[in-house]
Amino acid sequence: QSVLTQPPSVSGAPGQRVTISCTGTSSNIGAGYDVHWYQQVPGTAPKLLIYGNRNRPAGVPDRFSASKSGTSASLAITGLQAEDEGDYYCQSFDSSLRGSRVFGTGTKVTVL
Amino acid sequence: EVRLVESGGGLVKPGGSLRLSCAASGFTFDTYTMNWVRQAPGKGLEWVSSISYGSRYIEYTDSVRGRFTVFRDNAKNSLLLQMNSLRAEDTAVYYCARDPLSASWLDYWGQGTPVTVSS
Repeated sequence: QSVLTQPPSVSGAPGQRVTISCTGTSSNIGAGYDVHWYQQVPGTAPKLLIYGNRNRPAGVPDRFSASKSGTSASLAITGLQAEDEGDYYCQSFDSSLRGSRVFGTGTKVTVL
Repeated sequence: EVRLVESGGGLVKPGGSLRLSCAASGFTFDTYTMNWVRQAPGKGLEWVSSISYGSRYIEYTDSVRGRFTVFRDNAKNSLLLQMNSLRAEDTAVYYCARDPLSASWLDYWGQGTPVTVSS
C-alpha cells in the first residue's frame, strides 16, 4: 500500500518548470525519514534521481532538484526536456510499517 | 560497473511456487543490504523485502510475510526470493535493488523479471 501521496500527473511544455509533491504523515516523512526520488522511463527499470532529500547522484542533471519540509517533499524539474517524460516516485520509510520502505503513488510527467 | 541481473520469473498457477535470483557483480556484494521491489502491470512500485549484508536483518511487506522468503548466498554474489503460495495479486515485474547504506535509498536496480500468477 502506498502511504505517500503524489499527484497522478503533471505536464509542461519544453523549457518549463514542473513540480511533483509527495505528501506523507507523521510516521514517515514527518518523523524525519529521508525522502528519495526515482525516475522510470516506460519499459525500463527505475533509476535513482535524488537521495537524502536533495542530493543528486553523479550523472543526474542539475535541472532536477528536491526539498523536504514537514510531512511532505517535492521534486522540481526546470528546463523540462522531452527525455524527462516518464513516471516519478518518491520513497521513504514508515515507522508504523515494520521494516517498511514505502513508495509514493507515482506521478506521470508529460512533456507537451 | 555495478550490475544486477534477475532471473527465474515465469508463469505459475495460483498456489504454486517460484524462486527468483539476482546475480550481482561490480561491487562487494557481501557489504550491502539488498532489496526486492515489485511493480504490478500498470501500477506503481511496491517494496517487497530486504536482507542485510550478513542476513541478520530481514524484513517483508505484510502481504508476502509467511509466503515469501528472502535469502542470499554471498559466496556466489546472489540474492534469492523464494515465493510460495502465489496469488494472482503477486503478478508483477520483480526488481532487485541495492541499498548503499542499509535502510536508505536504492541506488542500483536490475532490469526486472516478470512473474505471472494465473490458471
